[in-house]
Amino acid sequence: AQRVTQPEKLLSVFKGAPVELKCNYSYSGSPELFWYVQYSRQRLQLLLRHISRESIKGFTADLNKGETSFHLKKPFAQEEDSAMYYCAPRNNFNKFYFGSGTKLNVKP
Amino acid sequence: KAGVTQTPRYLIKTRGQQVTLSCSPISGHRSVSWYQQTPGQGLQFLFEYFSETQRNKGNFPGRFSGRQFSNSRSEMNVSTLELGDSALYLCASSLTGLETRDTQYFGPGTRLTVL
Repeated sequence: AQRVTQPEKLLSVFKGAPVELKCNYSYSGSPELFWYVQYSRQRLQLLLRHISRESIKGFTADLNKGETSFHLKKPFAQEEDSAMYYCAPRNNFNKFYFGSGTKLNVKP
Repeated sequence: KAGVTQTPRYLIKTRGQQVTLSCSPISGHRSVSWYQQTPGQGLQFLFEYFSETQRNKGNFPGRFSGRQFSNSRSEMNVSTLELGDSALYLCASSLTGLETRDTQYFGPGTRLTVL
């Protein structure tokens, strides 16, 4: 079965600390990988996509094909990073499912 | 381009009633998908429409249905409302929904409260 797992429902870190939001998937083939973010009172939006190899708001995500993981990382968390983060692997069989989400709380 | 819009933004209904939610996708987008978002279950996929046809379906009971019009606007209907249907209902649009690299663009959601 194709599955995406975000093991932490809630992750609390202090401002300036490194943060890693975990995402593991068991999808066939080589899925496209996305992270979406939902800030308080804002709509869900794309944060970054693996294919672009980009860094958005200081976040990066590395694909580890051996572990089938796509963890989201930032070396120094900011209070404005507090939000709900969803991992979204995509292949031809699963274009619309998201992980269960991790709520990141960055404390001052 | 205008973003995805959803109406109404808030709804209060009582058990047993039915409700219809509306979604207008970004101009040129033909795929519209619907999600239920709750604190406990996260983001649950309901269904996806393309060219007025339901193309993909999540694991929800038949009380949840939808349709899409020729202009790609979509409606979602929930009949015989239950307390557990209280949630934020999100609509998302993408160009075709066929390409795995298609980005989904989300609306602000409709907050449904069932009393």
